[in-house]
Amino acid sequence: RKEVEQDPGPFNVPEGATVAFNCTYSNSASQSFFWYRQDCRKEPKLLMSVYSSGNEDGRFTAQLNRASQYISLLIRDSKLSDSATYLCVVSSAGTALIFGKGTTLSVSS
Amino acid sequence: EPEVTQTPSHQVTQMGQEVILRCVPISNHLYFYWYRQILGQKVEFLVSFYNNEISEKSEIFDDQFSVERPDGSNFTLKIRSTKLEDSAMYFCASSTNTDSTEAFFGQGTRLTVV
Repeated sequence: RKEVEQDPGPFNVPEGATVAFNCTYSNSASQSFFWYRQDCRKEPKLLMSVYSSGNEDGRFTAQLNRASQYISLLIRDSKLSDSATYLCVVSSAGTALIFGKGTTLSVSS
Repeated sequence: EPEVTQTPSHQVTQMGQEVILRCVPISNHLYFYWYRQILGQKVEFLVSFYNNEISEKSEIFDDQFSVERPDGSNFTLKIRSTKLEDSAMYFCASSTNTDSTEAFFGQGTRLTVV
């Protein structure tokens, strides 16, 4: 069973669109949740942490549902520069990050 | 802005050769990690390192792999006898705590085994 599963991609959207990514995780002991962004052939970069209460950072909103073991990322008013692969990442206390395979977003003008 | 630096950016090696990938973590970080990403696949955890010893390792991190912090700044990953399937991007990361919050990744070393 895959530990972190994400929506299959790619998502192709026009500028200004709202797009949502979903992710599920299998380990109920997971305690930390993140969305990372990875540009082609580059390193992953932390986009935002995800908290049970939900959190927002500008155009980005992340939600966590522990009961369903489900994480989401909403991007509003998509920009060309948002084109990237979005990685759902979880970890348990004191353990390493476990990455999903990622969902590719392509924003076009 | 502090960053994790990795050298070389690209390494080509013959099958069976030993390679050493180098990383300089952020100076005040205490936890260090190696991850790899085979082309088109997900980022996979290899090993974590704290207080001069391995704190966690994955099934991928077998006897062919070793890590070392030879001095106060460098953190290295050695692959003793490379295989074709070791070809991947190898990322070093560091963080200030164990839950990997704000783990910062280096730009990666692309290893090609021929």
